[in-house]
Amino acid sequence: QVQLQESGPGLVRPSETLSLTCTVSGGSVSAFYWSWLRQPPGKGLEWIGYIYHSGSSNYSPSLKSRLTMSIDTPKNQFSMTLTSVTAADTALYFCARNPKGAYDFWGPGMLVTVSS
Amino acid sequence: DIQMTQSPSSLSASLGDRVTITCRPSEVVSNYLNWYQQKPGKAPKLLIFRTSSLEGGVPSRFSASGSGTEFTLTISGLQPEDFATYFCQQNYELPHTFGQGTKLEFK
Repeated sequence: QVQLQESGPGLVRPSETLSLTCTVSGGSVSAFYWSWLRQPPGKGLEWIGYIYHSGSSNYSPSLKSRLTMSIDTPKNQFSMTLTSVTAADTALYFCARNPKGAYDFWGPGMLVTVSS
Repeated sequence: DIQMTQSPSSLSASLGDRVTITCRPSEVVSNYLNWYQQKPGKAPKLLIFRTSSLEGGVPSRFSASGSGTEFTLTISGLQPEDFATYFCQQNYELPHTFGQGTKLEFK
């Protein structure tokens, strides 16, 4: 069974950089697409972007200027960094696998709050 | 971006009821439409992919259909664990987008 786990700081100050890592177990990141999504409190889901094991990636146009994703196949992890965060970036951040366009395995989610 | 509109936004029902949730994309998405169930504080769970294919382990009381710009998710014979929020999602084009959710509540 594939399992994903997000990790990173739960509190980030405005204008600083948010960095999250997703560790995958029970499967390899050397296959499929790996994504980040987020859900602001009480709101719907937003796709952030994905990365492929080759390192190719695609980002949400609304976040593209601030977003970078990377993948570390030996560690079986993938990561995201979002720069210049504001309160609007406060959300529950999920990592997920999407082998067929649908997201079949998800991490439990990590709440990131942007506040001074 | 393709906008996904779900209706209703909330729904009250009783155990054993049959309920239907509708999702209307703003553009044709072929059959690239998926459905998820989410419980409070948890990650979404994939129920249906490619319009009507049941994800492994999902009970057969869940079914879905549709085409073009109208899709439906039906739950036949509601069970206690089905009271949750349901989202549709298109993967026809990037960015992938989700509906705003339909909260299924106990009547």
